[in-house]
Amino acid sequence: NAGVMQNPRHLVRRRGQEARLRCSPMKGHSHVYWYRQLPEEGLKFMVYLQKENIIDESGMPKERFSAEFPKEGPSILRIQQVVRGDSAAYFCASSPLGSSYNEQFFGPGTRLTVL
Amino acid sequence: GQQLNQSPQSMFIQEGEDVSMNCTSSSIFNTWLWYKQDPGEGPVLLIALYKAGELTSNGRLTAQFGITRKDSFLNISASIPSDVGIYFCAGRGTQGGSEKLVFGKGTKLTVNP
Repeated sequence: NAGVMQNPRHLVRRRGQEARLRCSPMKGHSHVYWYRQLPEEGLKFMVYLQKENIIDESGMPKERFSAEFPKEGPSILRIQQVVRGDSAAYFCASSPLGSSYNEQFFGPGTRLTVL
Repeated sequence: GQQLNQSPQSMFIQEGEDVSMNCTSSSIFNTWLWYKQDPGEGPVLLIALYKAGELTSNGRLTAQFGITRKDSFLNISASIPSDVGIYFCAGRGTQGGSEKLVFGKGTKLTVNP
């Protein structure tokens, strides 16, 4: 049973470009969460999605960031017009249902570097 | 917003020693989780705690959910070199029914052979 998959593992962008991060949840999992981790910090929640629905986006910056989890295909975290402060590791987690007693399992992350 | 205070920030121990780390919060959490993160990887779940006062073990790891629901600790007994990594506590709270996790800043563990 494959775990949570994220790609790319490393992404380099210049300021002003767009970054697209992909997450394929574990088989059978329909809930996806995105977190951001700065160096020497813990993970910070960004957004929680179910198929075709955003459930909680309270951690998403108001501008330039968006997320989707379509009926078919991976979840996408999109960052438009990236700035140097967007450089971080972005982790996706998935759970089979809402995560009470169904814990979140994390992918290996995408490390975004903005030049 | 909810915050977790995790301590210590780092620990340097000898192989075979026991380790203890803890997390505290000013808010109540319904679930406490402990994760380990190796360099360049995502966090791996070690132990999940669901009830106040619950004490749970996973091999050499033991964790407890504080009775006030505002704290948790993780103990590692007889440490070995592969225990090296960063350990994070995480809480799932009660605000708004969200399933989001709130993470501590981590305890970086170094084990000297």
